[in-house]
Amino acid sequence: GQNIDQPTEMTATEGAIVQINCTYQTSGFNGLFWYQQHAGEAPTFLSYNVLDGLEEKGRFSSFLSRSKGYSYLLLKELQMKDSASYLCAVPYILTGGGNKLTFGTGTQLKVEL
Amino acid sequence: ETGVTQSPTHLIKTRGQQVTLRCSSQSGHNTVSWYQQALGQGPQFIFQYYREEENGRGNFPPRFSGLQFPNYSSELNVNALELDDSALYLCASSLAAGAGNTIYFGEGSWLTVV
Repeated sequence: GQNIDQPTEMTATEGAIVQINCTYQTSGFNGLFWYQQHAGEAPTFLSYNVLDGLEEKGRFSSFLSRSKGYSYLLLKELQMKDSASYLCAVPYILTGGGNKLTFGTGTQLKVEL
Repeated sequence: ETGVTQSPTHLIKTRGQQVTLRCSSQSGHNTVSWYQQALGQGPQFIFQYYREEENGRGNFPPRFSGLQFPNYSSELNVNALELDDSALYLCASSLAAGAGNTIYFGEGSWLTVV
């Protein structure tokens, strides 16, 4: 089975840095996704990590430690538009070759002035 | 803009009724998945279609069914609606092979069952 844990809510200040953690337990690891979801909108892809280490993409970075079952999403120079839910998800490969995602409950980030 | 389109965007149904939700996948994507997202929760996998066949199913009862058409578009049908079916239904498209293939979501269909 697969189990994902992430904090429910976080609050940070505009211009600051915030780290959103995700721990996972999965039978067979095939990488980890981060998605951003604004209220009332679809989740949008942020990052995919399959190897240990930090991957940087502009203001957003994602880190993975496979041995610890742990990932984090780092958001720098926070902007008000970063207020959203951040979803951690792990893929499970289906018999036919496609994959399904198991999501955490999401971390609701509120950016304040 | 992910290229995945869904309709309708919002609808209200009465308990016991049936509903059909529609999805057009991103150009070139041959796999369509459906997810249910309750308020304050992450999306839950319902099922996936590949080459017009169901290719995996989550923990949802048989009254949730689907179709995929030759142009890769898809439908989600829910019979005998229950109040707990009220949720955002997300369609997602991807290429079939590889765990790392990004799954792109549509804007979703908001279903309210009263």
